[in-house]
Amino acid sequence: EVQLVESGGGLVKPGGSLRLSCAASGFTLGGYSMIWVRQAPGKRLEWVSSISSTSGYKYYAASVRGRFTISRDNAENSLYLQMNSLRDEDTAVYFCARGSGPRPVPTGDWFDPWGQGTRVTVSS
Amino acid sequence: QSVLTQPPSASGTPGQRVTISCSGSGSNIGSNTVNWYRQLPGTAPKLLIYTNSQRPSGVPDRFSGSKSATSASLAISGLQSDDEADYYCATWDDSLSGWVFGGGTKLTVL
Repeated sequence: EVQLVESGGGLVKPGGSLRLSCAASGFTLGGYSMIWVRQAPGKRLEWVSSISSTSGYKYYAASVRGRFTISRDNAENSLYLQMNSLRDEDTAVYFCARGSGPRPVPTGDWFDPWGQGTRVTVSS
Repeated sequence: QSVLTQPPSASGTPGQRVTISCSGSGSNIGSNTVNWYRQLPGTAPKLLIYTNSQRPSGVPDRFSGSKSATSASLAISGLQSDDEADYYCATWDDSLSGWVFGGGTKLTVL
């Protein structure tokens, strides 16, 4: 079964750091682009970051650029999101999702499946 | 404020056909393909339509998507009670160099 499982969320103070992980099973992660999307309580989906299958491209939303870093370890079948200098507005459920294949550019991609999400709460 | 504009709510009675719109601009919908996701409360989003009008395996043909210029639409025919969910459109934005999502439309089956 193709599955994504996020972990690493929790409660952190403003200015703190967290590292989210997304473990893939049932498929070879290295064959796919990946994405992180978050959803604040009661709010819409918000794209956070994307990475190509070989890490050839990495993109970030303006709201997290310079603070978050996306990475992947295809040998470990895992995706990561290092989050530094966390702010109250980063509080959300963070989802990882699999792209449609080894696309060299993000245009034309789509995302399926999605993990169940991991909750990040930034509060003093 | 979302880059892609969706109506916040939509409704219909069982058996009806409803349409959800997604309005963008030349740098996003006008230049790239549109995907639709469905999200039940407290759960992860699920792909419903990709590349404007394609259905993943397992998605019934009651769901259809279309795109014209800088707008896209999701149509649901033969509305069922378990179609109640939040529906999001999404596409790549060339100007922002990022993925953009609509604000979401909450569908209620009356």
